[in-house]
Formats: sequence, C-alpha cells, structure tokens
Amino acid sequence: NAGVTQTPKFRILKIGQSMTLQCTQDMNHNYMYWYRQDPGMGLKLIYYSVGAGITDKGEVPNGYNVSRSTTEDFPLRLELAAPSQTSVYFCASSYPGQNTDTQYFGPGTRLTVL
Amino acid sequence: KQEVTQIPAALSVPEGENLVLNCSFTDSAIYNLQWFRQDPGKGLTSLLLIQSSQREQTSGRLNASLDKSSGRSTLYIAASQPGDSATYLCAVRPNTGGFKTIFGAGTRLFVKA
Repeated sequence: NAGVTQTPKFRILKIGQSMTLQCTQDMNHNYMYWYRQDPGMGLKLIYYSVGAGITDKGEVPNGYNVSRSTTEDFPLRLELAAPSQTSVYFCASSYPGQNTDTQYFGPGTRLTVL
Repeated sequence: KQEVTQIPAALSVPEGENLVLNCSFTDSAIYNLQWFRQDPGKGLTSLLLIQSSQREQTSGRLNASLDKSSGRSTLYIAASQPGDSATYLCAVRPNTGGFKTIFGAGTRLFVKA
C-alpha cells in the first residue's frame, strides 16, 4: 500500500513552459486535493475533486488546471509557468465520513520557475 | 472568511518539558479540526482529528482540545523528545464551501537534547 505518490520530486521550469504534476493514490479515496506551500506559510488549496469527473476550485486556482478521469489519479497542469508559481506542491486524499476525513499527503513536488 | 492563526511561529524547549501549541480560527462554524506534523522536506502526517461535536482527542503523548465557541484549539505534547522536533500545522474544515481545508502557517518546534 503506497498511499499517495507524487512525481516528479523536483523540477525547474523556464517562464512560459508547461508541465503536469502527477498524483496517484491507492487507498480508493474519493476525495483528492492539490495544495501549494510557500516558504513559512501554511498550505493553500488549489483544486480539489470529490470523485472521478468532478473537480472544483480552491483558494488559488489561477494558472492551474486539473482533471480526474479515474479514482486513483489527479494530475495538476501548469500552463505558462510564472515565477509566482515557484512553490512546493502537495497532493492529498481522504475519505470523508462521520468519524474519518483524515487527509493523507504525498511527499511533495518542489517546483522552481526561472 | 475563515482564517487560522498559530502562535508562536517557533518554539524551542528542553527535552522532557510539557508544552502547548496554540491554534485560533475566526469562524466557529467548522466541520472538524486537524493537527498535522511536517518534517523538513517532507509531506504532512495527520496527528489528530477532532470532529465539531468533540472536545478533545488523545493519541499517546499528544492531546488536542477544541473550543469552538472561543475559536481555539490546543495541542498538548507531554514529556517532549528530540524526535518531536518538526513543524506542527493546524487546519480547519468549514461547515460551508465544500470540502475545503484552511491551514495555519504552523509552529516550528525544536526540542533540545
């Protein structure tokens, strides 16, 4: 049981380039999330999904896109990368319920845009 | 708009000391509150989850309390150890706005041997 896996671990992009951050979970969780964490700050929600085919915006969605074609995968797409997108990106999943809802996090992707 | 604040931003204590980390939130209409631990360069690990109807949760040397009316939660760590050194984040899930979670900036804890 690998939990939540993210690839790549590190990436350097040039301004204007695009890339996809991959996230996969093997816990059959229906809820998945993408967060970004800037230095010394808490996590901010970018997008989340409550199930395959259903996504919604979080606090900071501009410059990003997501899709959820399967329960397991929730990729995050960056179009036209900007220096303001330099951050650490975390994917998480959960199975909300009466006494659950614990979020399980991946190890993160450290992205630098130059 | 829900905001989550954690004070202090950093804390250094000698090994063996009992300590309390604080979390405050501006809107008492929450679904639950979670405490996470984050080690440098790593993801987050959930420590304790308190539902809105609960007052506290305990796991080993950790005890988290919740007072919705005052918008406060505390994480109590008993008999601290150097291995407890990490950043501790508090996060609330509001009752409204879907399943979004609002995080505090965290308290960086250093336990000296």
